[in-house]
Amino acid sequence: GAVVSQHPSRVICKSGTSVKIECRSLDFQATTMFWYRQFPKQSLMLMATSNEGSKATYEQGVEKDKFLINHASLTLSTLTVTSAHPEDSSFYICSARDRWGGVEQYFGPGTRLTVT
Amino acid sequence: AQSVSQHNHHVILSEAASLELGCNYSYGGTVNLFWYVQYPGQHLQLLLKYFSGDPLVKGIKGFEAEFIKSKFSFNLRKPSVQWSDTAEYFCAVNAVDRGSTLGRLYFGRGTQLTVWP
Repeated sequence: GAVVSQHPSRVICKSGTSVKIECRSLDFQATTMFWYRQFPKQSLMLMATSNEGSKATYEQGVEKDKFLINHASLTLSTLTVTSAHPEDSSFYICSARDRWGGVEQYFGPGTRLTVT
Repeated sequence: AQSVSQHNHHVILSEAASLELGCNYSYGGTVNLFWYVQYPGQHLQLLLKYFSGDPLVKGIKGFEAEFIKSKFSFNLRKPSVQWSDTAEYFCAVNAVDRGSTLGRLYFGRGTQLTVWP
């Protein structure tokens, strides 16, 4: 149980375009999902906390107009990188908390974004 | 802000060697502690967790970790590593009485473990 999927696993887009990444909890409901960015050989950096039915909470320094988060249902959160630039190229990981569980987070496999 | 330190960035061992990966955190209140593992090309998986009770916790695949409150540490150990343990290991901390309803995790920068057969 507690499986989280992400789609797509890899995406290449041109500079200036937008790309949407989906995060789904497959066998549980998640009122809270998290979006992380991982740089090579570095830790996971929390970008924002996605709350079902309400606005996301962004970490300091993360542009909310650039990284749009929507958590419209208990099993789906989306991250849209708008007007992507090469510096947005990274590995994006989502995680989800079971609404009936504790603080434990279940992680998705990540999405490799490359902006050319 | 909370911080999590993993002192070893890259550890190289031979099979059957013993492993200890250090993790220290800076928060003085109540914490939940986690170790995650990321095998090459795979997603993060939970190795073990500490919420309360016995400070020595056992996880999957023979891993264990000890919470020493006085040292703000949660070191990961395994008595005999295998080639298949080659992976990236992340320590993470949740500050229980600060934003705990969101379950915010603070991650260390990770330790790459390479085990030679």
